[in-house]
Amino acid sequence: GDQVEQSPSALSLHEGTGSALRCNFTTTMRAVQWFQQNSRGSLINLFYLASGTKENGRLKSTFNSKESYSTLHIRDAQLEDSGTYFCAAEVIASSSFSKLVFGQGTSLSVVP
Amino acid sequence: DMKVTQMPRYLIKRMGENVLLECGQDMSHETMYWYRQDPGLGLQLIYISYDVDSNSEGDIPKGYRVSRKKREHFSLILDSAKTNQTSVYFCASRDCQNTLYFGAGTRLSVL
Repeated sequence: GDQVEQSPSALSLHEGTGSALRCNFTTTMRAVQWFQQNSRGSLINLFYLASGTKENGRLKSTFNSKESYSTLHIRDAQLEDSGTYFCAAEVIASSSFSKLVFGQGTSLSVVP
Repeated sequence: DMKVTQMPRYLIKRMGENVLLECGQDMSHETMYWYRQDPGLGLQLIYISYDVDSNSEGDIPKGYRVSRKKREHFSLILDSAKTNQTSVYFCASRDCQNTLYFGAGTRLSVL
């Protein structure tokens, strides 16, 4: 079936540094969404991309539909950025609807 | 402030009991979802609802049913709960720009 592979599965960053998270898709996806799940378990929508690049503060995401991958870049990491980051691919499920297929997440720890 | 509300937040049931998880949204979104989240498996789609009485199975619908009688409410029902249905359940709604808004989740334990 449709699969979304996230890497790395876990990541530790020192405050002020940055890194990139990646999602690879096994089939063509219509769009991608990125979410952060914080320490309270709440899921927060970060980006929705049908193509190209979006930026919001210290976060930037790109979606390359031709090569079937998306990245989430975090710069100047802060302690509150800790949590689990999920990408979700929008898949055409039938002629009438689409659905989101989630990756297994990247657990990010930002340390002083 | 856009909001998706889930009730209850925590629930303990015995195997074989019926379970009702409720979800409400105040944004008049047509499309709503129920997911479950388990360690190592991410979020798995149980059901989608496109509007009142317009529901479709997701990837893991077995053992679940849903009800959407009003646009703002979407319920997940477990008839005769099983221990493998212990999980965290998330409801979400989607706006016209395809942004998903999640509720805070319901942690269900089936003993």
